[in-house]
Amino acid sequence: SQQGEEDPQALSIQEGENATMNCSYKTSINNLQWYRQNSGRGLVHLILIRSNEREKHSGRLRVTLDTSKKSSSLLITASRAADTASYFCATDGKNNDMRFGAGTRLTVKP
Amino acid sequence: KAGVTQTPRYLIKTRGQQVTLSCSPISGHRSVSWYQQTPGQGLQFLFEYFSETQRNKGNFPGRFSGRQFSNSRSEMNVSTLELGDSALYLCASSLNVRENEQFFGPGTRLTVL
Repeated sequence: SQQGEEDPQALSIQEGENATMNCSYKTSINNLQWYRQNSGRGLVHLILIRSNEREKHSGRLRVTLDTSKKSSSLLITASRAADTASYFCATDGKNNDMRFGAGTRLTVKP
Repeated sequence: KAGVTQTPRYLIKTRGQQVTLSCSPISGHRSVSWYQQTPGQGLQFLFEYFSETQRNKGNFPGRFSGRQFSNSRSEMNVSTLELGDSALYLCASSLNVRENEQFFGPGTRLTVL
């Protein structure tokens, strides 16, 4: 069963704009990870944020985590057409179970 | 370093058959996890192996099983295939336990007819 719920389910923006995706989850976690997947291929790990962290940056990516609200957000700045993909959040729970959300389908138009 | 490799990449089976999928982790990685991805259920965790021991298991029937060898390579087996087992099966490896960053393979696309 899925734990994370991404929102929105789909997002379409122009190149150069910022894209924000949100993830909510239900149970306590050890960490939360964001992944990208292109057209049914394997997932690419983007960033991991631990439960005691509030914000992390990696290049054009910024992830925040609010454990009190059980939510996380992924911001991609200055988006490019190559960022077109599905983005998933995954929670590593206290019970050592790992659950993925349904994903946000991002389309960046050139 | 070579990435995670999965074989075969595509597989077509019929109902009732069994199938074995293989995963070779990144050299030096000791943890291997398996996931099933379907349009309806999304990505679901199957199991995780570490040092040849199953460390965690998702909510799948006993028809789904796996193992890990001393060289960290892993196999998963699905017996008595059902149409609903058609999916992309993804393997991921990490250095130690799964709490670290996972690296995913390209997946095996299984179609059950």
